[in-house]
Amino acid sequence: DQQVKQNSPSLSVQEGRISILNCDYTNSMFDYFLWYKKYPAEGPTFLISISSIKDKNEDGRFTVFLNKSAKHLSLHIVPSQPGDSAVYFCAARWYGQNFVFGPGTRLSVLP
Amino acid sequence: ETGVTQSPTHLIKTRGQQVTLRCSSQSGHNTVSWYQQALGQGPQFIFQYYREEENGRGNFPPRFSGLQFPNYSSELNVNALELDDSALYLCASSFRSGVSTDTQYFGPGTRLTVL
Repeated sequence: DQQVKQNSPSLSVQEGRISILNCDYTNSMFDYFLWYKKYPAEGPTFLISISSIKDKNEDGRFTVFLNKSAKHLSLHIVPSQPGDSAVYFCAARWYGQNFVFGPGTRLSVLP
Repeated sequence: ETGVTQSPTHLIKTRGQQVTLRCSSQSGHNTVSWYQQALGQGPQFIFQYYREEENGRGNFPPRFSGLQFPNYSSELNVNALELDDSALYLCASSFRSGVSTDTQYFGPGTRLTVL
């Protein structure tokens, strides 16, 4: 039973445009969400987080939106750059528990 | 401030053998979590160590065991290796205060191949 889903295995975007990566979850108890970026042969790198008490969090080119009623979060990257090409994972946890990761979405930013 | 380090980088073992993977946590962190990432999948939680004790475990058999040392570094041991144990093993460190852990920071991983 996959509690965190990333239904798009891959996404291609032109450089300079917006990248939108989506994540859905099934457990309404989740209260903290993270996005990670992973390059080949490296560990995941933390990008941005959001608590369930918020619906938006921004950090530079990265914005995460949380829709609790739909159990959906998205990561927006604006503008997209070729160096953003990587696999992106969303992860979620509920209070006192450990993180559950989605399967990842491979983003390709085309020059 | 040093990040999370893992050793070795790569490892090849044969079925039935035992393996030990090592992780040094980031400065200031007191919690270490271990994950298994199979090809094309997201990281799967194995277990977490806090204050030198196992604190939470995923759906992995007892032949996966670990240790945390007073300096917060950690080991992952896998006995009786199976072919399906071939994966990238990731260590993540974080700071825990109270019940929940903060954001986790990952090491580069150890690629284990079981033949």
